[in-house]
Amino acid sequence: GAGVSQSPSNKVTEKGKDVELRCDPISGHTALYWYRQSLGQGLEFLIYFQGNSAPDKSGLPSDRFSAERTGGSVSTLTIQRTQQEDSAVYLCASSLATGGYGNTIYFGEGSWLTVV
Amino acid sequence: AQSVTQLDSQVPVFEEAPVELRCNYSSSVSVYLFWYVQYPNQGLQLLLKYLSGSTLVKGINGFEAEFNKSQTSFHLRKPSVHISDTAEYFCAVRPISSNTGKLIFGQGTTLQVKP
Repeated sequence: GAGVSQSPSNKVTEKGKDVELRCDPISGHTALYWYRQSLGQGLEFLIYFQGNSAPDKSGLPSDRFSAERTGGSVSTLTIQRTQQEDSAVYLCASSLATGGYGNTIYFGEGSWLTVV
Repeated sequence: AQSVTQLDSQVPVFEEAPVELRCNYSSSVSVYLFWYVQYPNQGLQLLLKYLSGSTLVKGINGFEAEFNKSQTSFHLRKPSVHISDTAEYFCAVRPISSNTGKLIFGQGTTLQVKP
């Protein structure tokens, strides 16, 4: 597609339920990132996928959070047993991997998650 | 490890006035530097980036930034702002060489342009 596509754009869920957020990166981008943006917390790195390498999961806040990337393209971020503090905007981004880390990272418009 | 400090959480300014949004970083390794803008209810959009070469970098919408290695700063400037520049601005760094390509962001600066 033309840009990074995320779905759903908005999700309201009850505390304790599981949620899945989907990200479709720009075609040809092998690097994919998830960030979380909370009110007053800025942008928090969650996880990074690069090709077939083991993902960098160092930013996942708890074992309730997991992500996978199937076929090197679409990624799903799963939050189990959601808590109110999980309410945030979840941003997905992608970039080319060749050429080093100067490549531009392109962001989607985010999935707004509200846990009630 | 890297960290980014944006010195102002909010910057109010009148239309057509100049503006500077300040960014300082800390890193034990060399980094690339970026400024992103986030308009209300939208994702992040790259304004400009510094990779190497001239320390004055020009970006979209009339913005520019200057990399100062000795002061570890990368301040964003615009000589004359418009109402449409009202948005949140994020400074970010990315290690030039590491085993992960993640961006480390500052807390953001809200630019509010008043008529």
